[in-house]
Amino acid sequence: DTEVTQTPKHLVMGMTNKKSLKCEQHMGHRAMYWYKQKAKKPPELMFVYSYEKLSINESVPSRFSPECPNSSLLNLHLHALQPEDSALYLCASSQPGRSNTGELFFGEGSRLTVL
Amino acid sequence: DAKTTQPNSMESNEEEPVHLPCNHSTISGTDYIHWYRQLPSQGPEYVIHGLTSNVNNRMASLAIAEDRKSSTLILHRATLRDAAVYYCILRPPWGGATNKLIFGTGTLLAVQP
Repeated sequence: DTEVTQTPKHLVMGMTNKKSLKCEQHMGHRAMYWYKQKAKKPPELMFVYSYEKLSINESVPSRFSPECPNSSLLNLHLHALQPEDSALYLCASSQPGRSNTGELFFGEGSRLTVL
Repeated sequence: DAKTTQPNSMESNEEEPVHLPCNHSTISGTDYIHWYRQLPSQGPEYVIHGLTSNVNNRMASLAIAEDRKSSTLILHRATLRDAAVYYCILRPPWGGATNKLIFGTGTLLAVQP
C-alpha cells in the first residue's frame, strides 16, 4: 500500500465555519507534511511532523491548526479562514532517517473554497 | 534554502527524448537533487534523485554535472502521459530543521502527438 489518502476531496466553507482536512497513510512513514498550492503555482510547505511531533511551522497563520494524533493520521483544522486561503491542500509522507531516500508520497489533495 | 532555476515551459514531440535542465549554483555539498512531477489534477509524484553520480530508474535518467551546479532530467521517449510540471528540488539530508522539500517554479512540459 503506497497511498496517501486525503478527505474530503472538495470542501466549501464560509469564513465563520470550522472544518478539518484529514490525511491517512499506512506505509509506516514517520514524517508527514502539509503543503498549500494555489493555481499555477508550486506547492508551498506549511507544516512538517516528525515522529508525531511538529518539527516545522513555516510561519503559517493560526487559523490553520495541524494535528498528528498518531503515526498514520494527520489533520488540518480550519477556522475563520479568508477567501485567499482557497487552494489545493496537499498531504505527504516520508520515511525519515539518513539512510532513506527522502522520497515524499503525496495524496491527491483537498480542494478548499472559502466563501 | 538553496534555490533552483528551471525554464518555465518546454515542448516535446511524442516518442522523442526530452532533456529538462535545472540550475542550482548554490547547492551545498550535502544537498540531494530530487525531481518530482505533477500531472494535471494530481499531487506531485517522485521521479528520481541523486547526489553526485548519474542515476537511472524505470521512469527517467538524471545527469548531474561534475561541479553539481546543474542537472538534467532525461525522459528517453516522451509520451502524452508525461505532460506535467517537472520540479527540480534540492533536499538537505534528513535531520532537525532541514526536514523540508521546497518546490521551485518548475517546468511545464507539453508533449505533442
